[in-house]
Amino acid sequence: GENVEQHPSTLSVQEGDSAVIKCTYSDSASNYFPWYKQELGKRPQLIIDIRSNVGEKKDQRIAVTLNKTAKHFSLHITETQPEDSAVYFCAASIRSNFGNEKLTFGTGTRLTIIP
Amino acid sequence: NAGVTQTPKFQVLKTGQSMTLQCAQDMNHEYMSWYRQDPGMGLRLIHYSVGAGITDQGEVPNGYNVSRSTTEDFPLRLLSAAPSQTSVYFCASSYAGQGAYNEQFFGPGTRLTVL
Repeated sequence: GENVEQHPSTLSVQEGDSAVIKCTYSDSASNYFPWYKQELGKRPQLIIDIRSNVGEKKDQRIAVTLNKTAKHFSLHITETQPEDSAVYFCAASIRSNFGNEKLTFGTGTRLTIIP
Repeated sequence: NAGVTQTPKFQVLKTGQSMTLQCAQDMNHEYMSWYRQDPGMGLRLIHYSVGAGITDQGEVPNGYNVSRSTTEDFPLRLLSAAPSQTSVYFCASSYAGQGAYNEQFFGPGTRLTVL
């Protein structure tokens, strides 16, 4: 099955600086890579995703890059703000025989923004 | 729309007890999933369903049962609770759009402790 590794497990950055979180996956059949943000005590929520036929996607201060050859993808947050403090999860998806996305999640990165 | 709801929010069980975690969604989503979240291990898929009457196992199905009799509800049953099942459980649902990669919407979670 799919294996997703995520690094680092914790990350502290000064407010206004950039943060980068990296993930690798094992199954070359994976074709969809979402990122979820989970604030303390809350549910995970999708913040950005990328499909295998796209190398980069950007949404305001967040961007995701994908290198299919190397089987890794990264989340970039620029001009970080205190509300970016949360746990971030990457995931890789394979279509099941039923046609739905089966997500395998990374172990999470706790991002702390230092004022 | 209430989205994805879960009950109870908290539960304490003794080893060997059984219980059912409830999950419901009002978005007419075909796909529903159960995950458990443990510190340092991310979100792991327990079981999922692609529609009423159709379920399949995820990464960590042992000790859990599911059934799906309606589109709205997807209960998770613990047959004989064990301390290893202490975790936070999240239910998620997504739309089954053809050819699309669809966002999973998570419920608020159930924190379960097995003594």
